[in-house]
Amino acid sequence: QVQLVQSGAEVKKPGASVKVSCKASGYTFTSYDINWVRQATGQGLEWMGWMNPNSGNTGYAQKFQGRVTMTRNTSISTAYMELSSLRSEDTAVYYCARSVDGEYYFDYWGQGTLVTVSS
Amino acid sequence: AIRMTQSPSSFSASTGDRVTITCRASQGISSYLAWYQQKPGKAPKLLIYAASTLQSGVPSRFSGSGSGTDFTLTISCLQSEDFATYYCQQYYSYPLYTFGQGTKLEIK
Repeated sequence: QVQLVQSGAEVKKPGASVKVSCKASGYTFTSYDINWVRQATGQGLEWMGWMNPNSGNTGYAQKFQGRVTMTRNTSISTAYMELSSLRSEDTAVYYCARSVDGEYYFDYWGQGTLVTVSS
Repeated sequence: AIRMTQSPSSFSASTGDRVTITCRASQGISSYLAWYQQKPGKAPKLLIYAASTLQSGVPSRFSGSGSGTDFTLTISCLQSEDFATYYCQQYYSYPLYTFGQGTKLEIK
């Protein structure tokens, strides 16, 4: 069965960086794009960007350009999202999600990783 | 960016009711629309994509319709497990795929 398992919660200080991992299993990792979506507490969903695990190509929402980097390690079927220059407004649950055949809806999601930014 | 507006933002219903949630796009998105269900503390779950295609394993009481700017999600006979928050998402406009603000469905 398809699973995306994310790393654990993080607490960071303003200005720091965080790197969240997303380990895929149950399917061919390089055949589906991985996206990252975040959700502040009690708020809606915000798409951050995508990565093609086969090529390493990425695309980011303009809001996060220059602060986000999405990478992968195909040998362990794991995707990563690193967000830098953290501020309090970045406190949220971060989800990885698989998208299908170049159509950017998301059929499988990770369980979420809470990132708290606090001094 | 394409703005997605859902209505209502919240409402109450009873098991067995038929309910409809509306999602409106600020510009045409053809049928590039998905619906998700989210329960507290859980990741969203895909219900419908391409505006009206039911995701595998999703009960047939869920249905979607619409194209262009106006879309609906209908639950034909509410079950207790359907009380959740529902989001629409457009995936027409790269590189910014936007979600609606959510509709919280509560038990009356």
